[in-house]
Amino acid sequence: AQKITQTQPGMFVQEKEAVTLDCTYDTSDPSYGLFWYKQPSSGEMIFLIYQGSYDQQNATEGRYSLNFQKARKSANLVISASQLGDSAMYFCAMRENAEGGYSTLTFGKGTMLLVSP
Amino acid sequence: NAGVTQTPKFQVLKTGQSMTLQCAQDMNHNSMYWYRQDPGMGLRLIYYSASEGTTDKGEVPNGYNVSRLNKREFSLRLESAAPSQTSVYFCASSVGTSVIHEQYFGPGTRLTVT
Repeated sequence: AQKITQTQPGMFVQEKEAVTLDCTYDTSDPSYGLFWYKQPSSGEMIFLIYQGSYDQQNATEGRYSLNFQKARKSANLVISASQLGDSAMYFCAMRENAEGGYSTLTFGKGTMLLVSP
Repeated sequence: NAGVTQTPKFQVLKTGQSMTLQCAQDMNHNSMYWYRQDPGMGLRLIYYSASEGTTDKGEVPNGYNVSRLNKREFSLRLESAAPSQTSVYFCASSVGTSVIHEQYFGPGTRLTVT
């Protein structure tokens, strides 16, 4: 079973509108972290936002917020007031504990967001 | 503060050639990682180093070796390159391997094996 599922290969949104990018995850570990990264056409991976499994409140970072629904195992990224510069690939990722006390990051396949004027 | 740097940015190899991808971070992070990114596959972990002196296999380690040279540097070696290793390679680092630690990525190396 996939650990991270992003069901939207591509999304379109008009400038200044809000958009939600979906992410569901699969883990039996009570302690995990959820992350969103942005990859623009230039190729670099940019960390956007983090949500811990024990966090009571949804994470927010500027125009980015994470809609965390633990029971549904979803961690959707909400971008408010979209800008042309938001056009990029977005990856959801999860860290969970593995043997030896270490944890590694597992990525979804990504969602391509295009913002139109 | 350069963050995570990678060299080279681009490389073309012939099948059977070897090469080493270099990665360095100046954030005093303990943990470092190598990923590959293929179209439609997201990023997959090749190897990681939880701390200086340790390395462990990730999801797709076959055909690769790594060396954690010191706290700053983590290299990835392809001993005998194959066309299936054509990919974009990312190095990343984090404070530690706790679930709360975000990873910071380098700019990537685009490798083509012909």
